[in-house]
Amino acid sequence: DAKTTQPNSMESNEEEPVHLPCNHSTISGTDYIHWYRQLPSQGPEYVIHGLTSNVNNRMASLAIAEDRKSSTLILHRATLRDAAVYYCILPMDSNYQLIWGAGTKLIIKP
Amino acid sequence: NAGVMQNPRHLVRRRGQEARLRCSPMKGHSHVYWYRQLPEEGLKFMVYLQKENIIDESGMPKERFSAEFPKEGPSILRIQQVVRGDSAAYFCASSPIRQGNNEQFFGPGTRLTVL
Repeated sequence: DAKTTQPNSMESNEEEPVHLPCNHSTISGTDYIHWYRQLPSQGPEYVIHGLTSNVNNRMASLAIAEDRKSSTLILHRATLRDAAVYYCILPMDSNYQLIWGAGTKLIIKP
Repeated sequence: NAGVMQNPRHLVRRRGQEARLRCSPMKGHSHVYWYRQLPEEGLKFMVYLQKENIIDESGMPKERFSAEFPKEGPSILRIQQVVRGDSAAYFCASSPIRQGNNEQFFGPGTRLTVL
């Protein structure tokens, strides 16, 4: 069973920032939080991951709550190409099995 | 630097036939993971392999499914005597080390349709 909870879908306007929330209340102290996205008819693509501190890369930013029970993926300026299903994932205890939920379908309106 | 390659991209089989799915990991990656995805769902872990070794097959059905990653050549996911319920997208991913907190690189998937 997925260890994360995400909204089924979200809409945003092009060129605006997008905040995708994720709840992971059962997270353990050593679990990294991973985000992947899947464009239509494609394989998943890594976006970002983090442990405690906020993280930034060329694709997005990851804001992690102080108690680590939730996090938010931030796309600073959404484009039509960012329309995808975004998955917030915690690994299983084994640390290599990624447990995938249903994700959030992000719809970008031009 | 080519990414993870999977073939075929689409595979149609009749019930009872065998399906053979291939995955070539990224260059330098010795860890391969197979996932299955049903429509409108997230990916489900099936099996984790290193060269010539199955590390974890806890997500793979006990019957009809097998996987290998030989010393030479691609990783193969084999489904014998396919049934309609096997219709899904099958993705493989690779990583340079045991995934841990590093990213997995995914292929484009093989979409299996069982008639």
